Amino acid sequence: DVKVTQSSRYLVKRTGEKVFLECVQDMDHENMFWYRQDPGLGLRLIYFSYDVKMKEKGDIPEGYSVSREKKERFSLILESASTNQTSMYLCASSLSRRRRTQHEQYFGPGTRLTVT
Amino acid sequence: AQKVTQAQTEISVVEKEDVTLDCVYETRDTTYYLFWYKQPPSGELVFLIRRNSFDEQNEISGRYSWNFQKSTSSFNFTITASQVVDSAVYFCALRPGAQKLVFGQGTRLTINP
Repeated sequence: DVKVTQSSRYLVKRTGEKVFLECVQDMDHENMFWYRQDPGLGLRLIYFSYDVKMKEKGDIPEGYSVSREKKERFSLILESASTNQTSMYLCASSLSRRRRTQHEQYFGPGTRLTVT
Repeated sequence: AQKVTQAQTEISVVEKEDVTLDCVYETRDTTYYLFWYKQPPSGELVFLIRRNSFDEQNEISGRYSWNFQKSTSSFNFTITASQVVDSAVYFCALRPGAQKLVFGQGTRLTINP
């Protein structure tokens, strides 16, 4: 079974703090993704990575950065947290398209971040 | 533009009723994939099904069935004889070609005992 884990289920931070959200997958997936989920908006892609040290902006990258130093780990960084970044953050991973195998993404349990 | 619309924000039914969740998508790509995910109260999205644009065969898996119609750009999901454990938020998603997943807004399904 694919396992995607996220470092925290719940996190409370103050405005202006630097926040790190960690995601680890154990299935040797090339692709990793960070989404945020807000009521009525579904899931929106923040950043994704197709390989180590590679990153690409998603639909809403402003205020976020990412790091992928190892294949299994993908970190989301809020450089200076703001109240409008209060949300549920979901990490996902999937196999590479090049492998011509399944394309579904597997998700972690999510981190509910509150910025006060 | 790529877009997924789940018109039903919330659905509430009594246990054992059948329920259909609608999904309509927009894409100009001829090759694409469609997905359904379930998000139970625990929060983790669970993959349910993947369909590619060249396969319009309907699929049944136990009490779950999916109806894919390219003519109406729809990929609807039906739960037969619903159970309380089916209560969750359900997301339909589109992956046009080799691009990113585009999610619908989600439908919150509540099954009442």
